[in-house]
Amino acid sequence: SQKIEQNSEALNIQEGKTATLTCNYTNYSPAYLQWYRQDPGRGPVFLLLIRENEKEKRKERLKVTFDTTLKQSLFHITASQPADSATYLCALGGGGSNYKLTFGKGTLLTVNP
Amino acid sequence: GAGVSQSPSNKVTEKGKDVELRCDPISGHTALYWYRQSLGQGLEFLIYFQGNSAPDKSGLPSDRFSAERTGGSVSTLTIQRTQQEDSAVYLCASSPSLPSSYNEQFFGPGTRLTVL
Repeated sequence: SQKIEQNSEALNIQEGKTATLTCNYTNYSPAYLQWYRQDPGRGPVFLLLIRENEKEKRKERLKVTFDTTLKQSLFHITASQPADSATYLCALGGGGSNYKLTFGKGTLLTVNP
Repeated sequence: GAGVSQSPSNKVTEKGKDVELRCDPISGHTALYWYRQSLGQGLEFLIYFQGNSAPDKSGLPSDRFSAERTGGSVSTLTIQRTQQEDSAVYLCASSPSLPSSYNEQFFGPGTRLTVL
């Protein structure tokens, strides 16, 4: 069965450093991968999309990589700030279904001032 | 513009009672999804609507769960004879469902259901 693992349940870093979150998957061939941010008591908010034929995508301080050979995506936040503290979810889509997203459990990022 | 709204934001009920959760998607979004998020767990897919039809109900946990959508807009998720294990946050999302959108989903704030 499809499996998505976000390798850290929680990650603590110092303000100004780069946060790197990992998303690995098995038994899946996604057409695209998305990253969402979720704050406590709120629904997830879409951040970035990367397609299977793209290696890297950037948006402001965010960078996502997608390696379909390793079946892995890395999500980087550079020059991290305490306001970046949240849970980050990866979600896989496509791969036989043109509508369904399969979510990982998320990584709780805490950026310490 | 208005985002996805859900009501109620919190619902406390007694075991065995029925509950109805409501979702108002973004206007014009044809796709609508229901998810369940339990403490420490990821988002669990429940059901997908395209317009008023539900081509995928595969995530509904049991026949106590049902959902409908009317007018291609508002959706209600109904849980009959609630059990304590139904306690969770129920999230609704909508999507424009355009091929170019790659299915970016817009989430509501969720309904926190507590079954005593």
